[in-house]
Amino acid sequence: GENVEQHPSTLSVQEGDSAVIKCTYSDSASNYFPWYKQELGKRPQLIIDIRSNVGEKKDQRIAVTLNKTAKHFSLHITETQPEDSAVYFCAARVQAGTALIFGKGTTLSVSS
Amino acid sequence: EPEVTQTPSHQVTQMGQEVILRCVPISNHLYFYWYRQILGQKVEFLVSFYNNEISEKSEIFDDQFSVERPDGSNFTLKIRSTKLEDSAMYFCASSVLGDRQPQHFGDGTRLSIL
Repeated sequence: GENVEQHPSTLSVQEGDSAVIKCTYSDSASNYFPWYKQELGKRPQLIIDIRSNVGEKKDQRIAVTLNKTAKHFSLHITETQPEDSAVYFCAARVQAGTALIFGKGTTLSVSS
Repeated sequence: EPEVTQTPSHQVTQMGQEVILRCVPISNHLYFYWYRQILGQKVEFLVSFYNNEISEKSEIFDDQFSVERPDGSNFTLKIRSTKLEDSAMYFCASSVLGDRQPQHFGDGTRLSIL
């Protein structure tokens, strides 16, 4: 089955810096890759997603890139702010499947 | 903005007891899901449900688990005989369709087995 690896597990940046979180997936049939932000004790909140027919997607300070050949995708957050501090999870879904397979998460800390 | 709602927010149950977790998916969504998250770990898929039947389930979703849509709005997860290792946060999610559609999560039910 699909397996998603996520790195780093923790990431500390200064306010205003950029943050990059990387994920790799194992199943080349995966075609949908969402990113979720989870604040302590709260629900995973979808922040951006990308489909396999697109290489890059941007939404204000957040962007996601996908390299299907290498089977990896990355989340880029620019101009980080303290409120970006949270756990970020990447996920992948196999074509014709419904399950999201999550990575282990990255704890992002943005200090001011 | 419509949200997935879950009740209760916290459930404490004795080991061996049955528990039912309840969810109200977003009204125009057709696919429903249950995930669980053990404290400090990643989110794990349990089951998906469409058109009144299970679409997909994981190895975690064994015979102790069942799902039901008892009426037009509720979606439930039942654990028949709870074990200590069932202690986790259980999230319900829903999506408009199944293929490459965003899944929106509820706030979760924290299940504590004593």
